[in-house]
Amino acid sequence: GAVVSQHPSRVICKSGTSVKIECRSLDFQATTMFWYRQFPKQSLMLMATSNEGSKATYEQGVEKDKFLINHASLTLSTLTVTSAHPEDSSFYICSASFGTEAFFGQGTRLTVV
Amino acid sequence: AQTVTQSQPEMSVQEAETVTLSCTYDTSESDYYLFWYKQPPSRQMILVIRQEAYKQQNATENRFSVNFQKAAKSFSLKISDSQLGDAAMYFCAYRTGTASKLTFGTGTRLQVTL
Repeated sequence: GAVVSQHPSRVICKSGTSVKIECRSLDFQATTMFWYRQFPKQSLMLMATSNEGSKATYEQGVEKDKFLINHASLTLSTLTVTSAHPEDSSFYICSASFGTEAFFGQGTRLTVV
Repeated sequence: AQTVTQSQPEMSVQEAETVTLSCTYDTSESDYYLFWYKQPPSRQMILVIRQEAYKQQNATENRFSVNFQKAAKSFSLKISDSQLGDAAMYFCAYRTGTASKLTFGTGTRLQVTL
């Protein structure tokens, strides 16, 4: 099956700094990628849809200036959490569509201290 | 807006027994897909099974099968011969035929006991 790689798997950063998370489709081209956030013991909440070569589409309530998404190529989308604060600590997951299926990265656990 | 509801926050099953996880959804679309994903402690999302709305036949994948009731907008997952490795969070998910983003239910935590 299709493989999506997400990096890093864990990151700890200081409050006020920025963190970049990468999502790569390894064996297919993904014109659309998705970024989710998952709080402990909760479901996946869609943050934004990342479209190659165009601006991301953010879900209601998600700050686009805080969560910067870039989809510069057909195999790479990045999520940058800017000026991170402890409340941004969470598990972030990306996925890429291939046909009618979605394939997920391994997730990134972000801890802001 | 489409919604997906999983009414069972937690379920427990004995090893080798059968368990059914419930899922209902709400949509006005006629073309859509339904999925069950498993999220083990590693938190990697794993596709368990999928169902196309236009197909009347229920999907099966080895020990996993679904009961798709389109009129009732119900999509339950049956796990037969449960194994310890089946213990995980299970999420029901929906997408339309045209939009590729998924809408997830709140999840059901499945415990498998000896």
